[in-house]
Amino acid sequence: DAGVIQSPRHEVTEMGQEVTLRCKPISGHDYLFWYRQTMMRGLELLIYFNNNVPIDDSGMPEDRFSAKMPNASFSTLKIQPSEPRDSAVYFCASTRGSGGYNEQFFGPGTRLTVL
Amino acid sequence: RKEVEQDPGPFNVPEGATVAFNCTYSNSASQSFFWYRQDCRKEPKLLMSVYSSGNEDGRFTAQLNRASQYISLLIRDSKLSDSATYLCVVSTGGGADGLTFGKGTHLIIQP
Repeated sequence: DAGVIQSPRHEVTEMGQEVTLRCKPISGHDYLFWYRQTMMRGLELLIYFNNNVPIDDSGMPEDRFSAKMPNASFSTLKIQPSEPRDSAVYFCASTRGSGGYNEQFFGPGTRLTVL
Repeated sequence: RKEVEQDPGPFNVPEGATVAFNCTYSNSASQSFFWYRQDCRKEPKLLMSVYSSGNEDGRFTAQLNRASQYISLLIRDSKLSDSATYLCVVSTGGGADGLTFGKGTHLIIQP
């Protein structure tokens, strides 16, 4: 299995620009998670999906952030407009079965820098 | 009080030594517990789940103390390759609503 795939791996953009991060979960996994990691705040859960349906987006910091999962094999996290404080590593993870009980498989992350 | 707390370290430990660190959690309804390992500039990966009776996987031992609300990780005969950040993860249930990661403990094994 290829594992969780994320793109791009690195993104450098200027403040105010739209940023779209992409994720392909492991085939057969029915939970998908988006996380953000910074030195100050650690790993934060932004939103998660179950069977392509957003279940909890309470971790999404602002309306500038949005996430979609149009099908079982693809999800996007969009930031519009981006700000320097959005600079972080964004991870996508997937799991099969109960999201809180089972091992999560993380993608390699997208390192976002907003200038 | 933070939901999941870990000593950030770094813990500097000589190769071959035994090292242990704890993670405390605030939600008494927590049901699932895990240790993840994260290498520098890499993604987190599951090291081991933590069961109520405690569990061992080779040189690694995880324990849960529900009364005091902490979990622990013990590494025996430490190797250079054990150098990493260890993340404590706590969940309150089947969904992921109560899934919380600690900020991690940084471990450095020195030759």
